[in-house]
Amino acid sequence: QKEVEQNSGPLSVPEGAIASLNCTYSDRGSQSFFWYRQYSGKSPELIMFIYSNGDKEDGRFTAQLNKASQYVSLLIRDSQPSDSATYLCAVNMEGYSTLTFGKGTMLLVSP
Amino acid sequence: EPEVTQTPSHQVTQMGQEVILRCVPISNHLYFYWYRQILGQKVEFLVSFYNNEISEKSEIFDDQFSVERPDGSNFTLKIRSTKLEDSAMYFCASSEAERSNQPQHFGDGTRLSIL
Repeated sequence: QKEVEQNSGPLSVPEGAIASLNCTYSDRGSQSFFWYRQYSGKSPELIMFIYSNGDKEDGRFTAQLNKASQYVSLLIRDSQPSDSATYLCAVNMEGYSTLTFGKGTMLLVSP
Repeated sequence: EPEVTQTPSHQVTQMGQEVILRCVPISNHLYFYWYRQILGQKVEFLVSFYNNEISEKSEIFDDQFSVERPDGSNFTLKIRSTKLEDSAMYFCASSEAERSNQPQHFGDGTRLSIL
């Protein structure tokens, strides 16, 4: 059974701070890792994806992957109130297109 | 920016009726997917579709469900004899190219309410 675990939160940070969102996964065959943002009542919106160990930066977002520890994280620098949403971690295995999602972490950024 | 479009945005149906959810994937994308999200729960994979056939399906995707690409642009999910527990948000997604690990882009979803 493939599992993707996230702390449900809420994670509360002040505006301008760094938000750190974490995700662990159970299947060592997982190869691709995705972060989606989901506002309440809306669809998942792709934020970042990472395939290799290490860091990947895109603007205020940094994805970090450690396959040995089966751990992937998302850092949001200079957090804004508009970043308040649920962040979904999703993984898939090499050769499979199925995405397995975590339950998501709710992020609240206060002005 | 190209996007996945879904219709209708909200569908209300009596239990036992058939419902068809429609999606227009991004035009150069080759892989198409359906996911659902029951209120307050995680997004769950239903089925993926590539080269005019189902490539993967989950345990949820039983004989009650079917998918079709009736023309060059639409991708549909049919639910026969709907049940109360089918009430959920249904998301269509698509991804480009041949590699199965390409990012999937989601439509705005159809909220299905079974009465």
